[in-house]
Parts: sequence; C-alpha cells; structure tokens
Amino acid sequence: EAGVAQSPRYKIIEKRQSVAFWCNPISGHATLYWYQQILGQGPKLLIQFQNNGVVDDSQLPKDRFSAERLKGVDSTLKIQPAKLEDSAVYLCASRLGGANVLTFGAGSRLTVL
Amino acid sequence: KQEVTQIPAALSVPEGENLVLNCSFTDSAIYNLQWFRQDPGKGLTSLLLIQSSQREQTSGRLNASLDKSSGRSTLYIAASQPGDSATYLCAVGTNAGKSTFGDGTTLTVKP
Repeated sequence: EAGVAQSPRYKIIEKRQSVAFWCNPISGHATLYWYQQILGQGPKLLIQFQNNGVVDDSQLPKDRFSAERLKGVDSTLKIQPAKLEDSAVYLCASRLGGANVLTFGAGSRLTVL
Repeated sequence: KQEVTQIPAALSVPEGENLVLNCSFTDSAIYNLQWFRQDPGKGLTSLLLIQSSQREQTSGRLNASLDKSSGRSTLYIAASQPGDSATYLCAVGTNAGKSTFGDGTTLTVKP
C-alpha cells in the first residue's frame, strides 16, 4: 500500500510571498488532515476534510491560509501572504475512518525569511 | 477543550533498560489513543492504536496501556536499543476523527 505523498519536501520563501503544498492520501481514505508542526511541539490541526467537505477548520488562519480537496482525493494547502511565524513543517495525514490508524506523510518544511 | 501532556519532555537511558513514557489528557471522553514515533526531519510513524474499549495493545517490545478514568496512557519499551532514539508522541482521538497531540518525549538511548 502506497503511503501519504507530500510535495515539496522543502520550501524557502521571503515573507509576504505565497506557497502551496500538495498531498495525495492513501487510496480510499475518506478523511484527510493538514497539521502544522512547529519545532519542539506536537502537530496542531489546521483543517480536516471528509471526502471533499470541510469537517473542522476552526484553527485555520483564514486570512492567509486556504485549503481545498477537489474530487475528494488530492489536497492543496496555500499560504498567502506568508509570515515569519509560518515557518514550520506542514504534515498531511489520512485515515479510512475515525476508528482507524492515522497515517502521516513525510511533511513539507517551510522556512520564511 | 482537550489538552494532552507528555512528561518528561526528554529522557536519556542506557541501552538495555526498560522504560515508560507517559501521556495524560484532560477529557476522558475519548474515542481512541495513538502512539507515534518521529525521527528528526521525518513524518510521524504509527506505533500502536488503542480503542477506548481496550486496556492495552502490544507490538514487539512495545506495550501501550490506557486508563480512561484517570486520563492516562503509558508506552512501555522493553530492552531499549539505540535505534529506539526518537521523539514519541501520543494523540487522543474523538469519534469525529479529530486527534489532539501532546508535544512529545524525546528519548535518547545511549550505547
């Protein structure tokens, strides 16, 4: 079984620029998550999708962050404009259902200068 | 709001020692609890998933227990090895599929 794919693995941008991250979950996994992990902390949920609908985006800074999951498969997370404090690893995860194992991708490391 | 705490933040042990990592949570109405391992610069790897109706799960040298009433879970690692060095995170899940993470315990096993 292929894992959760993410790209790019690394991105360096200047503040106020924009960036987009892509995630392809495990085939058949209806639920997809984007987490933000700042160095030394645990992952913090940004947004949860069920198929192509948003379940929870209460912690997503909507003035600068957006995410979509068209056709209920791949997802993109966009940041525009980026701030210094957005420097973090953006992790995508998926699961078949609420009782099942949460599986993560390798993450996308963002550095904002 | 669920809060998850992992103490200590860091732990160093000699090779071969048995050890316990702790995870506590404030809301006992959980659906499941999952332990992960994270190596530097990598994503999270699932170790064990315990459903709320279960008391423990085992995989090789790892054993995770869950006590919902006291809001605690432990991850027991037997006969630790240098390759076990990593950050261990626990995540508490709701029936809506939302998981709240602790900040992890960074384990160093010295040869």
